[in-house]
Amino acid sequence: GAGVSQSPSNKVTEKGKDVELRCDPISGHTALYWYRQSLGQGLEFLIYFQGNSAPDKSGLPSDRFSAERTGGSVSTLTIQRTQQEDSAVYLCASSPSYGYTFGSGTRLTVV
Amino acid sequence: GESVGLHLPTLSVQEGDNSIINCAYSNSASDYFIWYKQESGKGPQFIIDIRSNMDKRQGQRVTVLLNKTVKHLSLQIAATQPGDSAVYFCAERGAGANNLFFGTGTRLTVIP
Repeated sequence: GAGVSQSPSNKVTEKGKDVELRCDPISGHTALYWYRQSLGQGLEFLIYFQGNSAPDKSGLPSDRFSAERTGGSVSTLTIQRTQQEDSAVYLCASSPSYGYTFGSGTRLTVV
Repeated sequence: GESVGLHLPTLSVQEGDNSIINCAYSNSASDYFIWYKQESGKGPQFIIDIRSNMDKRQGQRVTVLLNKTVKHLSLQIAATQPGDSAVYFCAERGAGANNLFFGTGTRLTVIP
């Protein structure tokens, strides 16, 4: 597509449930990033994928968080056993090398 | 300038005036910088970028200035319009690094 697409746009889940967030990057962009933005805060790096290389997972806050990227395109961020502190907007970005394009994000609310 | 914390720095300007938003970055090895605009409920929107081998870059109504000596980045918006009201983030990327580091942003409010 023309931009980075994320789904769902909003997700409300009960504490302890697992959630999956999806990102469709811009076609041809080899790099894909996940960031998290809490209310009133800047963006916190979570994970980075580049082509077929092993992902950079250095930003994942706990082992409840994982992500995969299938076929070098679509990515899924999974949060297991969600906690209230996981509530945030999860943003995906893709890049050819310079100039990162962000999606509109998924607003996750854990109740 | 930007700071880490819960309270966003704010800037209010009259419509038609020029705006200057400042950012102090932390990593002297950063070689790539981007300014983003974020409106409520939307993802960050790319405005302009600059590499460390430059000290100035101009776009449409926007100019980014980079002072590597004092690790300072600024975004100048000419003839500010109500549609420019948003939160503005600067982001830096370290040389050889994979990801961007963001500050908490500056909220720009344009007064009609």
